[in-house]
Amino acid sequence: SAVISQKPSRDICQRGTSLTIQCQVDSQVTMMFWYRQQPGQSLTLIATANQGSEATYESGFVIDKFPISRPNLTFSTLTVSNMSPEDSSIYLCSGSSGPREAFFGQGTRLTVV
Amino acid sequence: AQKITQTQPGMFVQEKEAVTLDCTYDTSDQSYGLFWYKQPSSGEMIFLIYQGSYDEQNATEGRYSLNFQKARKSANLVISASQLGDSAMYFCATRRADSSYKLIFGSGTRLLVRP
Repeated sequence: SAVISQKPSRDICQRGTSLTIQCQVDSQVTMMFWYRQQPGQSLTLIATANQGSEATYESGFVIDKFPISRPNLTFSTLTVSNMSPEDSSIYLCSGSSGPREAFFGQGTRLTVV
Repeated sequence: AQKITQTQPGMFVQEKEAVTLDCTYDTSDQSYGLFWYKQPSSGEMIFLIYQGSYDEQNATEGRYSLNFQKARKSANLVISASQLGDSAMYFCATRRADSSYKLIFGSGTRLLVRP
């Protein structure tokens, strides 16, 4: 399966600032997704990153808070905007080109102080 | 809607022994798949094994095998010969029924391997 390089691996940010997380895949993938994992919780889907168009957001997530870009089939970014301590989580990008595969980046551990 | 249930919040196993992590699922789809992931303390999600609903045999990948019982809607992960490095969170997941590639995850099981 493909390999996703995600960065940064971790960051500590001040409230009110924004952080952009990048994911680079080593081959083209059909679908890319962004997930959030709050402390002690399971993974929750934030949005589907659509190549060349606006992302599709899940209920409870909005573009103003989590703008996403996907300029091509190998790259995507997620920005966490106007951060508050409640945004402290692990953020993971995922890729898939078929129903039998779903691989993840290394994750970004975000702490907002 | 699909649902994944992992009823074991935490499990202990002695090094070199086998352990079974439970996963039950609820889906109305005829064709579906089950995934298992390992998440060490670093936070990355490591793919372990996949089982398709129409696969003729239970999936195996090295020390990982899947005990797939379709009638019971269970897809338990079996880890043989446990190692200290197996200590981690383990998540079971399935795809959503909307034909997207989005995953729905269970709540996870924390496995601790004792020396």
